[in-house]
Amino acid sequence: SQKIEQNSEALNIQEGKTATLTCNYTNYSPAYLQWYRQDPGRGPVFLLLIRENEKEKRKERLKVTFDTTLKQSLFHITASQPADSATYLCALAFYGNNRLAFGKGNQVVVIP
Amino acid sequence: DVKVTQSSRYLVKRTGEKVFLECVQDMDHENMFWYRQDPGLGLRLIYFSYDVKMKEKGDIPEGYSVSREKKERFSLILESASTNQTSMYLCASSGASGYTDTQYFGPGTRLTVL
Repeated sequence: SQKIEQNSEALNIQEGKTATLTCNYTNYSPAYLQWYRQDPGRGPVFLLLIRENEKEKRKERLKVTFDTTLKQSLFHITASQPADSATYLCALAFYGNNRLAFGKGNQVVVIP
Repeated sequence: DVKVTQSSRYLVKRTGEKVFLECVQDMDHENMFWYRQDPGLGLRLIYFSYDVKMKEKGDIPEGYSVSREKKERFSLILESASTNQTSMYLCASSGASGYTDTQYFGPGTRLTVL
């Protein structure tokens, strides 16, 4: 079955630095991959989507890369701010299936 | 802006009670989903629906049922609540067709079963 791996350890990072999160998956390559942000006690909020034929996507201070050979997506937050502290989830979508498969999320703590 | 609302933010029920969790979306989305989220286990799909009166089991349907009588409303039912169903329940919706549909989540219902 499909396995999605995100680092279970929180990433502590100094304000202003770049935070980089990893999402690895096994087996089938997704049609596209999404990243969500989740604050404590809240539902996830969509951030970015990248398709299988795209290498990189940017939105403001966020950047996502997608390497189907490595079966990996990287999520970068540049010039990180304390307000970026949250848990970030990756989610995979597959052809012919309107479900998403979510990773367990990776917490980011930005230290002022 | 898409809005997904859930009937309660916090709910406390007793073992054996029948529990209804309601979810309403205002964007005419075809797909609706119910997840539960527990520490260390991430989001797990309970049931989803891709049309009115249509439903499919997710990864952990045991102990739950769902109802979708109207397009905008998707209900999760715990037939006989048990303590291991204490969790955060999240509803989501997404538009039809294609492989790019973002899921929009509600604020969640934190259910405690005593």
